[in-house]
Amino acid sequence: DVKVTQSSRYLVKRTGEKVFLECVQDMDHENMFWYRQDPGLGLRLIYFSYDVKMKEKGDIPEGYSVSREKKERFSLILESASTNQTSMYLCASSPLGQGADWETQYFGPGTRLLVL
Amino acid sequence: GESVGLHLPTLSVQEGDNSIINCAYSNSASDYFIWYKQESGKGPQFIIDIRSNMDKRQGQRVTVLLNKTVKHLSLQIAATQPGDSAVYFCAETVRNFGNEKLTFGTGTRLTIIP
Repeated sequence: DVKVTQSSRYLVKRTGEKVFLECVQDMDHENMFWYRQDPGLGLRLIYFSYDVKMKEKGDIPEGYSVSREKKERFSLILESASTNQTSMYLCASSPLGQGADWETQYFGPGTRLLVL
Repeated sequence: GESVGLHLPTLSVQEGDNSIINCAYSNSASDYFIWYKQESGKGPQFIIDIRSNMDKRQGQRVTVLLNKTVKHLSLQIAATQPGDSAVYFCAETVRNFGNEKLTFGTGTRLTIIP
């Protein structure tokens, strides 16, 4: 079974703080993704990475950065947290190649972040 | 621009009945579709997928139907159970041989009435 884990289920931070959200997958997947999920807006892609040290902006990258130093780990960084970044953050991974499920993304449990 | 959406934001179904959740997509180039289930407080969980060269695919108690003519996708859940209560998302992508990004719908909340 694919396992995607996220470092925290709940986080409370103050405006202006630097926030790190960690994601680890154990299936040797090449692709990793960070989304945020808000009511009525669904899942929106923040950043994704298709290889170590590679990153691509998603649909809403402003206010975020990412780091992929190791294949299994993809970090989302909020340089200076703001209240509008209060959200559920979901990490996902997918394999690269011609396998049967190569486009399917597998999700972690999510981190619910509250910025005060 | 492309969009993936759902006809109904909420659906209530009697336990034991069948349910149908619908999804419309606008990108005619999309060639791969996935249904996810998200229970309260959890991340989305893969249910079933279908490629554009298929019209129907069946899993355990679930069936996905794809109508490319009208760009419509549906998820049928047979003999619903309380554990089926969740938000269901469709997602679509265009195969790009490596850097696939999924576009998600906003979700339908399915409630099973005992």
